[in-house]
Amino acid sequence: AQSVTQPDIHITVSEGASLELRCNYSYGATPYLFWYVQSPGQGLQLLLKYFSGDTLVQGIKGFEAEFKRSQSSFNLRKPSVHWSDAAEYFCAVRNTGNQFYFGTGTSLTVIP
Amino acid sequence: NAGVTQTPKFQVLKTGQSMTLQCAQDMNHNSMYWYRQDPGMGLRLIYYSASEGTTDKGEVPNGYNVSRLNKREFSLRLESAAPSQTSVYFCASSGGSHDNEQFFGPGTRLTVL
Repeated sequence: AQSVTQPDIHITVSEGASLELRCNYSYGATPYLFWYVQSPGQGLQLLLKYFSGDTLVQGIKGFEAEFKRSQSSFNLRKPSVHWSDAAEYFCAVRNTGNQFYFGTGTSLTVIP
Repeated sequence: NAGVTQTPKFQVLKTGQSMTLQCAQDMNHNSMYWYRQDPGMGLRLIYYSASEGTTDKGEVPNGYNVSRLNKREFSLRLESAAPSQTSVYFCASSGGSHDNEQFFGPGTRLTVL
């Protein structure tokens, strides 16, 4: 069965510091992987996605993620965090039946 | 191009009342979804529709029914609301190709007293 684990419920970083949010997935076939961001009171917005090719994918707002098949991971990174990056981040995997499975999310706080 | 729209944005119900949450998309997507979001639980799939005329249960379907009225619209009905259904409900749609992500509506915040 497919599943997504985000081990960190909450992360706090200082503005300008680097960020890495962890995501591990369980899926038997080639995974289609996504990172979404949710600002308070808003819907989810796609940051980036991976389905094949280069394992390092670039997204919007300066985010990137690296797919590591050997570790079943798809961690999200940003070299320098801005205060506006404070939000909830969700990792998701899509199966061939077009169903999406989401992690429980990581809440990011940015300290000025 | 409005994307995915949901109505209403907020709703308060009493236990036992019924209501329908409406969702529409204008991206000509085949697949549509209903999720609920609760603190610490992430998004949990209630129902989804792979194409017009088909619906399937997700992870938490009990207490809900859905209708895929046409390709654009996918409604979620609570027949007899319970306090456990207090949540934020999101509708989403997807084009169905392997590289297509989901597009989300703004959500409906539902409180059942």
